[in-house]
Amino acid sequence: EDQVTQSPEALRLQEGESSSLNCSYTVSGLRGLFWYRQDPGKGPEFLFTLYSAGEEKEKERLKATLTKKESFLHITAPKPEDSATYLCAVQAVGGNQFYFGTGTSLTVIP
Amino acid sequence: ETGVTQTPRHLVMGMTNKKSLKCEQHLGHNAMYWYKQSAKKPLELMFVYSLEERVENNSVPSRFSPECPNSSHLFLHLHTLQPEDSALYLCASSPNSGTVWGGYTFGSGTRLTVV
Repeated sequence: EDQVTQSPEALRLQEGESSSLNCSYTVSGLRGLFWYRQDPGKGPEFLFTLYSAGEEKEKERLKATLTKKESFLHITAPKPEDSATYLCAVQAVGGNQFYFGTGTSLTVIP
Repeated sequence: ETGVTQTPRHLVMGMTNKKSLKCEQHLGHNAMYWYKQSAKKPLELMFVYSLEERVENNSVPSRFSPECPNSSHLFLHLHTLQPEDSALYLCASSPNSGTVWGGYTFGSGTRLTVV
């Protein structure tokens, strides 16, 4: 069964304290892995798509990496405005549906 | 503004009411989706429309009825809901319903409370 697990469920960081969020997945064949950011009261906002193991994408303080079993979202020197819930989703080969994780709620303390 | 607009933002309805959620996109996308987001649960896909034709219906109860009159508009008609249907309902769009290279564009959602 295709599924996505994100950890930790919640993470509190001091401003400037770098860390990583994890997304592990099991799919029969990966078409793409997606990272989204969701602020309270808003819909998810697309961040990155990763397609194959070894691929990396960067945007400001965020860097996403992908292996055959998991993806990491690295946050370097986070700022309070990085506080949000980060969602991971995968799309399997041969299917249109996305499988979402439950997200990691990140709080960055000034 | 994300390009996908949902109304209303908040809705409180009784179990015997009938209401509708509206979604509008002017991104030129051909696929539109309804998702349900409940606390501590993954987003649940409810319906997929591609070029105004329903292509997926994930065993959603009949008290939820989607409508896609054109490629820019999507509705979710609600009737005889249960308290467990309280959730954030998200609309999303994408250029097509197959491989979604750039991910979805989501609206801000409708926070539904069933009393």
